[in-house]
Amino acid sequence: GAGVSQSPSNKVTEKGKDVELRCDPISGHTALYWYRQSLGQGLEFLIYFQGNSAPDKSGLPSDRFSAERTGGSVSTLTIQRTQQEDSAVYLCASSRSDRGTYEQYFGPGTRLTVT
Amino acid sequence: AQSVTQLDSHVSVSEGTPVLLRCNYSSSYSPSLFWYVQHPNKGLQLLLKYTSAATLVKGINGFEAEFKKSETSFHLTKPSAHMSDAAEYFCVVSNTGFQKLVFGTGTRLLVSP
Repeated sequence: GAGVSQSPSNKVTEKGKDVELRCDPISGHTALYWYRQSLGQGLEFLIYFQGNSAPDKSGLPSDRFSAERTGGSVSTLTIQRTQQEDSAVYLCASSRSDRGTYEQYFGPGTRLTVT
Repeated sequence: AQSVTQLDSHVSVSEGTPVLLRCNYSSSYSPSLFWYVQHPNKGLQLLLKYTSAATLVKGINGFEAEFKKSETSFHLTKPSAHMSDAAEYFCVVSNTGFQKLVFGTGTRLLVSP
């Protein structure tokens, strides 16, 4: 079946511009996550959505970062006024969140380069 | 807070020889532990997971890992390396009931002919 998809695959933007990154989770998966993979920080959690519950935003590095999930499916991660340190690969994952099941399936990522 | 420490940033083996990638964890609660693999320019793929059932966990592609509570370890092994195993491997922890994954810094596995 179809996996997690992300778009765009690559994004180059100028410092100070806003960017939007999109994630389409696996159909039927109620939980959705965003992570960031960078050379300096490794792989780090950003935000987590589960059903209609309030998202866990504890990993967002600053108030320039925000995310939403519409209709319990597609999610958009927005970075405002991008900085060079935002350059990274942004990964989206989803899971069924069934009792005892915590497998997260990852998308291919969006490589963001801020010039 | 939970964390994992991957003891080697790089491991080099010859094709056909055993693989050992080491991981120690720290968790205040009963942890769930995972190994993920990332091939160059590819997404993360789950190799195996431990969630308080059998302590010896078998995964895909011949990999397995053993949960040792007394040593707080979750080392990944494979009896015989294949060239296609060359990739970056991440040890990951999450607390049962929580969904946030905490990743180790990764171990790059190099396999030579």
